[in-house]
Amino acid sequence: AQSVTQLDSHVSVSEGTPVLLRCNYSSSYSPSLFWYVQHPNKGLQLLLKYTSAATLVKGINGFEAEFKKSETSFHLTKPSAHMSDAAEYFCVVRGVTSGTYKYIFGTGTRLKVLA
Amino acid sequence: GAGVSQTPSNKVTEKGKYVELRCDPISGHTALYWYRQSLGQGPEFLIYFQGTGAADDSGLPNDRFFAVRPEGSVSTLKIQRTERGDSAVYLCASSSSGGEGGYTFGSGTRLTVV
Repeated sequence: AQSVTQLDSHVSVSEGTPVLLRCNYSSSYSPSLFWYVQHPNKGLQLLLKYTSAATLVKGINGFEAEFKKSETSFHLTKPSAHMSDAAEYFCVVRGVTSGTYKYIFGTGTRLKVLA
Repeated sequence: GAGVSQTPSNKVTEKGKYVELRCDPISGHTALYWYRQSLGQGPEFLIYFQGTGAADDSGLPNDRFFAVRPEGSVSTLKIQRTERGDSAVYLCASSSSGGEGGYTFGSGTRLTVV
């Protein structure tokens, strides 16, 4: 079965410093992977997606993620954090359970940005 | 519509009551999904519609939960005899075809059972 593990439940960074949110996946085949962001009382917004094309994926708001098959990882990075990046981030794998494709979410990482 | 619309945005109900949560997907999206997000957790799958039919309802926790999509567009999630443990944010998403390109989520309905 497919799954994702987000290694940190909380991450704090100072404004202007790099962001690293870690995600490891488990899949028996080449997966489709996504990162979503959820601001307080807002819906989930797609940041970026990997669907077996380029391994380095660029998303919105300066975020990017690199698919590393050898490490089964799909970490999310941003060179310089902004206050508006404070939110909950979810790593997602599109996998098959009970016979149909669906999104399987990680438990989330709450990013705090310090002034 | 331009996005996925969920109503109401907030719902407070008494234990034992019946509630309906509505989802209006993006026009033309054939796939519709319901997820439930409990406090501090990631969204968990409930049910998936392809057109009018439920293609997968394996995530519904018990027979108090039911969902319909009679015309292949708007969907309603129905919860009977609500319990305090049903309190959560219920998220709806839609996609074209199988969702390979990503789902578009609504803002959710926050259900509180008191």
